[in-house]
Order: sequence, then C-alpha cells, then structure tokens
Amino acid sequence: DTAVSQTPKYLVTQMGNDKSIKCEQNLGHDTMYWYKQDSKKFLKIMFSYNNKELIINETVPNRFSPKSPDKAHLNLHINSLELGDSAVYFCASSHPQVRGGYTFGSGTRLTVV
Amino acid sequence: AQSVTQPDIHITVSEGASLELRCNYSYGATPYLFWYVQSPGQGLQLLLKYFSGDTLVQGIKGFEAEFKRSQSSFNLRKPSVHWSDAAEYFCAVGGANAGGTSYGKLTFGQGTILTVHP
Repeated sequence: DTAVSQTPKYLVTQMGNDKSIKCEQNLGHDTMYWYKQDSKKFLKIMFSYNNKELIINETVPNRFSPKSPDKAHLNLHINSLELGDSAVYFCASSHPQVRGGYTFGSGTRLTVV
Repeated sequence: AQSVTQPDIHITVSEGASLELRCNYSYGATPYLFWYVQSPGQGLQLLLKYFSGDTLVQGIKGFEAEFKRSQSSFNLRKPSVHWSDAAEYFCAVGGANAGGTSYGKLTFGQGTILTVHP
C-alpha cells in the first residue's frame, strides 16, 4: 500500500497548457504539502493544507492553484505553463505538529517544452 | 526565519569508511530536525529525526545524528559506508512557533551528494 501517491509520475507538456497533478495519502494525516524541487535539487515549499484549509501559501505565481477536496487529497493545478515551471513536484503529508516528519510521494517530473 | 546550510555539496568516500555529513540550522525556538535521503528518481525517505530528549538519535540503515544546540548543528554519521548509501542527503528544520502550534513547515538544506567508491 502506497502511503503517499502522486499521479502522473512524468508529465511533458507544451508552454501555455494547463495541467494537474494529483496526490492522495492513506496515512490519516491532517496536513498535506506541495514542494517544488528545482534542477539544483533545492526543495522549496509551495503550499500546505491542514484538514482542507490552506495554511501556507509561499510566494508562488497565482497560475498555481491547490485544491483539497478532503484531507486525504491535495491536487495541484497549473495554468498557462511556462518553461520555468519544469521541475519535480513532491507531495507530502504529516501530522500538524510535524514531529514525526513528512512522508513524501515519489514525485512528478514536469517538463515544459 | 528558519534556514538550513549543508556546507558540503558533494562528498566522496570509500566503501567501509566512516561518514559525516554536516548540517547547520537557524531557528528561533527549539527545532525539530530531520535527515532525509533521496535516491535518483525517487522521493525522499526519512532517515532520522530529533525533537527532544537524547541529543544522539539513531535512524534507519545504521545512521545516527547528534544535535548540538551550542553549535546549531545536526550532523549525520555512519561508521561504515556501504555502496548502497550513495544518494543525496537532505537536512531539514521545522518546529512549533511561538504560539506553540505549527503547521509543519520544513525548510530543507540544499543537499549533499554522497558518492561511494568500491
């Protein structure tokens, strides 16, 4: 049983397109996150939801819109894709106090051409 | 603001040698500290964590780390490295804010690539 699953694993698309990445966790965690890992492997938080409520929204272009239909799901929709959006996007989940750390999904490699 | 510095971008060791990966953090309160490992094309796996108590923590795969508050460090160690340990290692910091709650924001270092020679 995969604890945090992301789909798709790979996504190649043209500039200007709109795409979505889905994330689901079966750990019973209340908090979910989206992180972006750039070409230099730097991980930066984008969004965090706690029990469907947006609680962290870092400086991210408003072309990126997260949606959490329930606490087990956090999807990421990206409008008008740009070349600079190419990266690996990781979903993660945790308990709110984070002392146990995050559980990460395996990542979605987005390539914009 | 919280931050993490991993001074070594790339470390090479021989199989069987000891290993220490450095991590320095900046955090305004008592930190929660973590080490993650990422193999090529994979997600991040938690190796170990510290949030209170004994400052020497044991993790999976024979790794350990020591929290030194006076040095703001949380270095990762392994006495004898195996070829399968070759990967990228990330240190992260997070914790409760001044109000005693936290929504779990972890800040990661830039990673250290470990190469293991046979």
